[in-house]
This record gives sequence, structure tokens and C-alpha cells, in this order.
Amino acid sequence: GQNIDQPTEMTATEGAIVQINCTYQTSGFNGLFWYQQHAGEAPTFLSYNVLDGLEEKGRFSSFLSRSKGYSYLLLKELQMKDSASYLCAAPYNTDKLIFGTGTRLQVFP
Amino acid sequence: GAVVSQHPSRVICKSGTSVKIECRSLDFQATTMFWYRQFPKKSLMLMATSNEGSKATYEQGVEKDKFLINHASLTLSTLTVTSAHPEDSSFYICSARLTIGTGSPQETQYFGPGTRLLVL
Repeated sequence: GQNIDQPTEMTATEGAIVQINCTYQTSGFNGLFWYQQHAGEAPTFLSYNVLDGLEEKGRFSSFLSRSKGYSYLLLKELQMKDSASYLCAAPYNTDKLIFGTGTRLQVFP
Repeated sequence: GAVVSQHPSRVICKSGTSVKIECRSLDFQATTMFWYRQFPKKSLMLMATSNEGSKATYEQGVEKDKFLINHASLTLSTLTVTSAHPEDSSFYICSARLTIGTGSPQETQYFGPGTRLLVL
């Protein structure tokens, strides 16, 4: 079956670095997505990893290890506006996405 | 970037009425769109896959007669919640799938802003 696990909540301070982990179990592998969702809003696309390694995009980076079924999202130079839920998602059955429960990140000044 | 719109953004209705939600891909064509619902502090749960020109595919446990989906064109899918009841109150989000690149195409879902439904 399909299963995605990520921590429920995390806190960090402005300017710091935070790493949000995600472990997944899927039948077949077609990449891993990270989305950001602010309260009351729809998710916005952050990153997509299909090969092992780290992909950097500004203050956000995403890492994937297919052998370990593991990914993380790294947020640097945290800002207050980064307070949001971060959703890890994996495709299955060709085109559907299964989402983790999301990690609620709270950034404090 | 790929933009998906949803209308209305919020709706309040009486129990027993039907509500239609529209999802549009504004700057790309989408043969496949998806409908999700999300309860407070919970993750997105896929309700159905909307396919242009054919019937929608519903996830297990989702009543197809209650949640009617019509994918009339390559840029529009509609979800109609029929005979809505208070337990249907939720945040409904659509997404449209965009395929970019060739060889090893990347398929990404882009989400609409969501529709908050409150059934009294």
C-alpha cells in the first residue's frame, strides 16, 4: 500500500534553518513532491525530486534517497511568512497523489 | 507559472440544496483534474479524478451520485455537491495536472485556491 509519514508539528526561530523529514512507502516510485500550504489556502508547489540527491531552489532545498524511502525539505534563513504546513506527496497509480498529514511549522521571532 | 482558479471561494447554503464549484486552468489545458477535500488540520483527501471527455473516477467511499463531476472542456471541471448536509461542510480544493518536458516528463499538480463550503 501507500503510506507517507512526516512529523505533525515543528517550531523554529526567525533566521534559523529547519529540516522537515518525510518517509514514504509506495508501490513503484514516480518522484516525490513538496507543497507549502498556508492556513485556509490551497497548497502551492515547492519541489519535485525523482533522482537521489539535493536540489536547491533559493532558500528551500529538497533531498531524496530512494533506497531509504526518505526525503527532507530544508528551509534556510527562516522568515515569519514561512509559518505554514508543509506537505510531502507521492504519485501512485500513474497520476494520483497521496499526501502526508503535513508538518505545521511555526516560526517565532 | 500554471494558474488554476476556483469559484466560488466560499459558499454558505441551506441543508438539502446543491452547490456547484468550478475549477479552471487559466493558462494551460488539463485533460486531468482532481478534486480533494480537506478537514481542519488534516491533509488533503482525494475524492475523484476528473477526465475530460469521460466519466470521473471516484475514490473508495466517495458517493458518485452525491458528488457529481463534469469535465466539460480542457480548462474546466465542475463539482456539484447534491443535497448538501452539514457533514459536507469542508474545504474543497481542485488541482489540474500539467505535464512539462519530453523524454522523462514531469507531471505536477497545480492547485486552485479552494472553496470553503458551509452547510447550515
